[in-house]
Amino acid sequence: AQRVTQPEKLLSVFKGAPVELKCNYSYSGSPELFWYVQYSRQRLQLLLRHISRESIKGFTADLNKGETSFHLKKPFAQEEDSAMYYCALSGGGSQGNLIFGKGTKLSVKP
Amino acid sequence: NAGVMQNPRHLVRRRGQEARLRCSPMKGHSHVYWYRQLPEEGLKFMVYLQKENIIDESGMPKERFSAEFPKEGPSILRIQQVVRGDSAAYFCASSRQGMDTEAFFGQGTRLTVV
Repeated sequence: AQRVTQPEKLLSVFKGAPVELKCNYSYSGSPELFWYVQYSRQRLQLLLRHISRESIKGFTADLNKGETSFHLKKPFAQEEDSAMYYCALSGGGSQGNLIFGKGTKLSVKP
Repeated sequence: NAGVMQNPRHLVRRRGQEARLRCSPMKGHSHVYWYRQLPEEGLKFMVYLQKENIIDESGMPKERFSAEFPKEGPSILRIQQVVRGDSAAYFCASSRQGMDTEAFFGQGTRLTVV
């Protein structure tokens, strides 16, 4: 079964500390993986996707097919990074179906 | 471009009433997706539509729920005879092509059934 697991509901770190938001997936084919972010009172927006290999706002995520993981990392957290983060996967193509994890709330303290 | 617009933002219905949720995609987007988020849960896919066609409704409950995306006007998610368990946030997203291109989300409609 296709599934995305984000084991942490809440992650709290201090400003300047490294951050790693965990995401594991279960998918039989070649999935596309995404991270979405939702800042307070704002809409869900795409943060990054594995195929683009970009670094957005200092965040990176590497797809590890062996461990079926797509963890989101940032070396130095900022207070403005506080938000809900959702990992999602897609079978790609015309499936039009994103499978989301339950989300991790990141709280960056001053 | 105002982004994906959903209305109403909040909707209260009594049990047994009908709920209609509207979604206007971004300009130039012909693909629309509806997701439901129950409390403490992630977003769950419901249905994927292109103009006048339902492409994938594998996430839609078999009864009481329907969706359309007419040639003109917004996409509508309709829930008939609402029950308390339908209380959730309903999100719409749109994309220019399929979901492997970037999808943009609306702010959601929070449905409360009393």
